[in-house]
Amino acid sequence: AQSVTQLGSHVSVSEGALVLLRCNYSSSVPPYLFWYVQYPNQGLQLLLKYTSAATLVKGINGFEAEFKKSETSFHLTKPSAHMSDAAEYFCAVRHANFGNEKLTFGTGTRLTIIP
Amino acid sequence: EADIYQTPRYLVIGTGKKITLECSQTMGHDKMYWYQQDPGMELHLIHYSYGVNSTEKGDLSSESTVSRIRTEHFPLTLESARPSHTSQYLCASSEYRLANQETQYFGPGTRLLVL
Repeated sequence: AQSVTQLGSHVSVSEGALVLLRCNYSSSVPPYLFWYVQYPNQGLQLLLKYTSAATLVKGINGFEAEFKKSETSFHLTKPSAHMSDAAEYFCAVRHANFGNEKLTFGTGTRLTIIP
Repeated sequence: EADIYQTPRYLVIGTGKKITLECSQTMGHDKMYWYQQDPGMELHLIHYSYGVNSTEKGDLSSESTVSRIRTEHFPLTLESARPSHTSQYLCASSEYRLANQETQYFGPGTRLLVL
């Protein structure tokens, strides 16, 4: 079985400060990992994904995430927060099993940016 | 950029009514999905489809049904709405590729309130 755990349902950072959103996964096979962002009243938008290539993955809007197998983590970071980063962020894992590629999501982390 | 649409965006309806949530995508994707999302909770897969005339139940049991008569269209129906069906419903689609290349694209969601 596969699962993801997002530590911290709410994270607040000051504008210009480092953003760190935590995600730990559990998977019996090498995982494919994703970060999605959801702005108010909108659907989910893909930020970045790890697909067993480079362990440091760069995404849109200045976000990046590093896959650490030893820590079973895929934390999302951004060096300098902008007000427009305020949203909910979801980590997800997928295990490809004979074409049954289903995503399992974490509970989400709501990011608030303090002016 | 993904083009996937959901209507209505918001729906308030009384108990016992039949409702259909529409989802359409213009990308020719074979795979489509329905997720249910409650506030502060992870997304749960309730239905998915590999293509025309293919429908499968997801991880979360749901009283809703789906159909896939056309590639671009994946409606979800509740025959008799109940307050327990109040939630946000997100539709997604993906193009069949090798597992590590496949990405799900999400629609804006439908917020359903059953009184």
